[in-house]
Amino acid sequence: EVQVVESGGGLVQPGGSLRLSCAASGFTFSDYHMSWVRQAPGKGLEWFSYISSSSTYIYYADSVTGRFTISRDNAKNSLYLQMDSLRVEDTAMYYCATTMIRGVIGAFDVWGQGTMVTVSS
Amino acid sequence: DIVMTQSPDSLAVSLGERATINCKSSQSVLHSSNNKNFLAWYQQKPGQPPKLLIYWASIRESGVPDRFSGSGSGTDFTLTISSLQAEDVAVYYCQQYYETRYSFGQGTKLEIK
Repeated sequence: EVQVVESGGGLVQPGGSLRLSCAASGFTFSDYHMSWVRQAPGKGLEWFSYISSSSTYIYYADSVTGRFTISRDNAKNSLYLQMDSLRVEDTAMYYCATTMIRGVIGAFDVWGQGTMVTVSS
Repeated sequence: DIVMTQSPDSLAVSLGERATINCKSSQSVLHSSNNKNFLAWYQQKPGQPPKLLIYWASIRESGVPDRFSGSGSGTDFTLTISSLQAEDVAVYYCQQYYETRYSFGQGTKLEIK
């Protein structure tokens, strides 16, 4: 079964750091580009980071550029998100997502259940 | 960056009736290389991750009921639910994947009238 499972969320103070992980199983992780998408409580979806299959290409939304770092370890079938200088407005459910559909990149048919990050003093 | 704008923000439709959600992109998402629109639709129910319904603007994902259809091209798109069922109550999002800096619409909340 194709699956991605996020972990690492929790409560952190403003200005603090947190590292999220996304463990993939059921597919050849090294073949697939990955993204992080977040959703603040009661709000809409926000894509904010992408990494290509071999880490060659990395993109961020302006909202996280310079504070968040996406990475992956294909040998461990894992995606990571290092979050530094966290702000209250980073409070959200964080999802990792990818596309299994042949010939499609960016329409996400695989999502994890998410991990909640709360930034509060 | 491409900005996606959905309308309306919320919608109430009677069971069995048609529901229509619109999505407009700030620039065309029709790619000349393959003549395809890089536009997807998602359904999200409370406490669940989003579920992909439609990609390439009009292709139903496997397992999605045929009462869901997508149409449009360029900058204007529509998601139609032909006969609303109770289980269709959810928030619906459009998303462009034309640019790798992907973007979602703000969402449309669909309820039963």
